[in-house]
Amino acid sequence: EIVLTQSPGTLSLSPGERATLSCRASQSVSSSYLAWYQQKPGQAPRLLIYGASSRATGIPDRFSGSGSGTDFTLTISRLEPEDFAVYYCQQYGSSPLFGGGTKVEIK
Amino acid sequence: QLQLQESGPGLVKPSETLSLTCTVSGGSISSSSYYWGWIRQPPGKGLEWIGSIYYSGSTYYNPSLKSRVTISVDTSKNQFSLKLSSVTAADTAVYYCARLAGEWLVLWWGQGTMVTVSS
Repeated sequence: EIVLTQSPGTLSLSPGERATLSCRASQSVSSSYLAWYQQKPGQAPRLLIYGASSRATGIPDRFSGSGSGTDFTLTISRLEPEDFAVYYCQQYGSSPLFGGGTKVEIK
Repeated sequence: QLQLQESGPGLVKPSETLSLTCTVSGGSISSSSYYWGWIRQPPGKGLEWIGSIYYSGSTYYNPSLKSRVTISVDTSKNQFSLKLSSVTAADTAVYYCARLAGEWLVLWWGQGTMVTVSS
């Protein structure tokens, strides 16, 4: 069974800074079936990235995903105030599983 | 615009069965393009996949919950439902219904409904 480990647990940054979030799988994720979701307090998550690097509809281009195999990264090039949230990765190539999340908080 | 609305009791007693329904509007549950799913999130914790269903009735269940979960679809009402039996306090969570691409990629989430298991 695949395990997804997200790091860091919390990322403290200022608006305008670059955020780099990691998602590491214990086994290779087939066909890069790796997604990223953003969740704000009291809201449902929303899909940001699928297929490791494809942005979902309406997602700003400051969000980018990369990686393959067991190591994946979500990068937010310049943090906007609305980007402070919790981010989850998910593998969906076999039995679906979410990572534990990374909280991006205002420094 | 697609809307997914969860409904059901907000409080369930231990050992009883949790039952939720997701009503789909702005789209057909019978679309061959999509699966439909349930995901939950305990308070202050991460996301857990419960299961998914196609309009034909084909299902996938999380192995850790499989013995207690039933997901069904009612195309005439444009709804799908979740039943989770023998609940305990560990089943207390926000339950989300969702539209999926393939079996497991969540394209669209409902707003979620909080279910508390307590006597």
